Amino acid sequence: LAKTTQPISMDSYEGQEVNITCSHNNIATNDYITWYQQFPSQGPRFIIQGYKTKVTNEVASLFIPADRKSSTLSLPRVSLSDTAVYYCLVVSGAGSYQLTFGKGTKLSVIP
Amino acid sequence: EAEVAQSPRYKITEKSQAVAFWCDPISGHATLYWYRQILGQGPELLVQFQDESVVDDSQLPKDRFSAERLKGVDSTLKIQPAELGDSAMYLCASSSFGLAGGTGRETQYFGPGTRLLVL
Repeated sequence: LAKTTQPISMDSYEGQEVNITCSHNNIATNDYITWYQQFPSQGPRFIIQGYKTKVTNEVASLFIPADRKSSTLSLPRVSLSDTAVYYCLVVSGAGSYQLTFGKGTKLSVIP
Repeated sequence: EAEVAQSPRYKITEKSQAVAFWCDPISGHATLYWYRQILGQGPELLVQFQDESVVDDSQLPKDRFSAERLKGVDSTLKIQPAELGDSAMYLCASSSFGLAGGTGRETQYFGPGTRLLVL
């Protein structure tokens, strides 16, 4: 499974747009890119998933270039409640659909 | 909205004691996962069930850990005996993914976890 690399931490002020980039150089044809969010003392929560180009939902946008070797999670106008750890995962579209978590990116939103 | 239930939420035990965690997945979800999360790290998969069968327990320390899902619904994870290094958050997740079908894109839904402290 493709290994992912993302920044350990990021800081942002309230109201700003936050972009977290993840690299996954060895992504396979059947793989999807998935992002989860985790607040302290809670289980991770699915945010968004994509295969290529752009995906948008009510929470975030996910940008994936044509070569799919990286992806960017975009959080518009963050608030204090967006302070959390964000995990980028590459998930196989075949097999047992297991999630392999890295350390994630700890986002701190500053008032 | 349906949720994954776990109990207890917190557990303090002494080393060499036995502990057990319970998970009730979202109704209808065939796949159930147990993860362990050490502070500052991402969750690590311990075991995956498809209905009542174990699909993958390659990362489960089988000398002390056991997991079962007898009727293919709720599940229990046991540690006996507990060691200091077992202190962690134990997370349960479920998914509608099934090995006989599905796209592989089915979301995993996580419970609130059980925080274990071994003294």
